[in-house]
Parts: sequence; C-alpha cells; structure tokens
Amino acid sequence: DAGVIQSPRHEVTEMGQEVTLRCKPISGHDYLFWYRQTMMRGLELLIYFNNNVPIDDSGMPEDRFSAKMPNASFSTLKIQPSEPRDSAVYFCASSSLTDRAGSYNEQFFGPGTRLTVL
Amino acid sequence: GENVEQHPSTLSVQEGDSAVIKCTYSDSASNYFPWYKQELGKRPQLIIDIRSNVGEKKDQRIAVTLNKTAKHFSLHITETQPEDSAVYFCAAAGGSYIPTFGRGTSLIVHP
Repeated sequence: DAGVIQSPRHEVTEMGQEVTLRCKPISGHDYLFWYRQTMMRGLELLIYFNNNVPIDDSGMPEDRFSAKMPNASFSTLKIQPSEPRDSAVYFCASSSLTDRAGSYNEQFFGPGTRLTVL
Repeated sequence: GENVEQHPSTLSVQEGDSAVIKCTYSDSASNYFPWYKQELGKRPQLIIDIRSNVGEKKDQRIAVTLNKTAKHFSLHITETQPEDSAVYFCAAAGGSYIPTFGRGTSLIVHP
C-alpha cells in the first residue's frame, strides 16, 4: 500500500477563496482523521470518521470548515471562504482498531498539505 | 474530555546524553499511550506505544514508562544521536482509542 495520500502538497490561495484538501486513506482502514498543525496550537484534531460517518467534529473551528467522506477511499476538507489564519499544515491520518502487527489504532499520517492563505 | 500535558516544550542535549520527555493525562479511563516522532517537514510517525497493563516497554534506545496511579508517562531516549532531533508527541486514548495529543517536545541533539 502507498500509505495515506494527500493532495495537493502545497496550496497558496488568496483570502476569500475556497480551498479543498483531499485524502485517500490506507485501504482497509475504517477510521479517518483530519488534523491541523500550527506552531501556536500544535496538532489539533478537527474531525474524524468511522466507516465514512463523521463521529466527532467538535474540533472544526467554525462553519467555514466542512469535511466529507463519500466512500471508504476518499475524504475532503473544505474551507470556504479561506482566511489568513487558516494557514497551517493539514494532515489526514487513517487507522484501524487492529492490524496484523498488533499495534492497534496506530495512526498513519499522510504527508500533509501546507496551506498558505494570503 | 482527555487533557494531555507535555513537558518540556524544548529539550537540548549533547550527543550521547539521555533525553526524557514527560506527559500527564487527566482521564483515568485512558489505557493506550502512543508516542509519535515528527522530523522537520515530515509527517508524525509512531515510534513506540504502551498499554495500561504494562508499566514499561523498551525498543532498542527508546523506552516508555507508565504510572497509572499518578497518571503520567514518559519517553526515555538513551545514547542520543543527531538523527533523534525531531518533535516528539505523546498521546493518550481511552475506550474509543482516539488519541488526544500533547503539544509536542522539540528535541535538539548537538553533535
């Protein structure tokens, strides 16, 4: 498996524009997480899904943020409209309660999307 | 919900010294404690984890200890090397196994 895939890797946009971040989890994983990382706030959990269903979105900062998981192999995080304070690295991660290695619930992170909002 | 405190925020050591990072958690129901390492510009990756039925776990130069009574756990790195320089995150998870992360410790190992 290629691991968790995220696109784009870098995104530069202007304030007010819509931004869509994409994630493909590891095949067979039933949990998907979206995180935001900044120097000031560290690694923040925004939302997570189990079997494509959003379970906890209490970390989503405001209504400008939305996330979907239409199927087991794809998720999006959308920011509309974007603001300069949204600039951060956004990570997607996936996990499964158990795996063959026994390290259950290890979260496998994608490479991240570095978002810059001007 | 769970609250994880991590100290120190920055740790600077000389190559060959030991490094210790400490975390405390608030939810007594937490029973899974992973540690992640994030190198500069890279993604976080699991390096070691411990479950509540174990007090200590070792993997070569790294070890983690857990004190459930005091609700704290620590990461120990011995014989540090420059490639150990990274940000380390502790986390705690309960019955849902969804981890709450600490703020991270930036470890700098000077050659």
